[in-house]
Amino acid sequence: DAGVIQSPRHEVTEMGQEVTLRCKPISGHNSLFWYRQTMMRGLELLIYFNNNVPIDDSGMPEDRFSAKMPNASFSTLKIQPSEPRDSAVYFCASTYRGAETQYFGPGTRLLVL
Amino acid sequence: SQELEQSPQSLIVQEGKNLTINCTSSKTLYGLYWYKQKYGEGLIFLMMLQKGGEEKSHEKITAKLDEKKQQSSLHITASQPSHAGIYLCGALSGSARQLTFGSGTQLTVLP
Repeated sequence: DAGVIQSPRHEVTEMGQEVTLRCKPISGHNSLFWYRQTMMRGLELLIYFNNNVPIDDSGMPEDRFSAKMPNASFSTLKIQPSEPRDSAVYFCASTYRGAETQYFGPGTRLLVL
Repeated sequence: SQELEQSPQSLIVQEGKNLTINCTSSKTLYGLYWYKQKYGEGLIFLMMLQKGGEEKSHEKITAKLDEKKQQSSLHITASQPSHAGIYLCGALSGSARQLTFGSGTQLTVLP
């Protein structure tokens, strides 16, 4: 099993640019989570999907952030326009009902200059 | 909302020493997860505890959940450099499957 796949692994962009992060969950998993990790705030849940439907997006910081899950095998997290304070590591995780844990991807390290 | 406090924030030990990391919740824990993270990598699942008084072990790592289900400890016996990393505790938020995480404990093991 390839595990949760995230791309890109690293992204450097300039303030104001659009950034799109991608995630492929583990096949058969029906829940997907987006997290953001920073030194100041630690690991925070941004949004999670169940069966491709967004369930809770209360962690999304502002309207500049949006997430989609068009099908069971793909999700995107988009930031537009990006700002330097968005610099962080963004993790995607997936799981299924009855699983003991969530399975995390390797993360995307985003730097907004 | 549930808050998790981890202590210590960082720990430096000599190889071979035992150590303990604590995680205290502001509310009753319905599921407590321990993860390990290495710099630049994702989270690796270690253990999950649900029942008060439960204890689980994996290799040299033991985790316990106290009877009142508001505190958990992670104990490493005879630490090795391979144990170095950030240890995070996470808790389920009620009936949902969202995880709330503690701020993490940075462990350094000196050879």
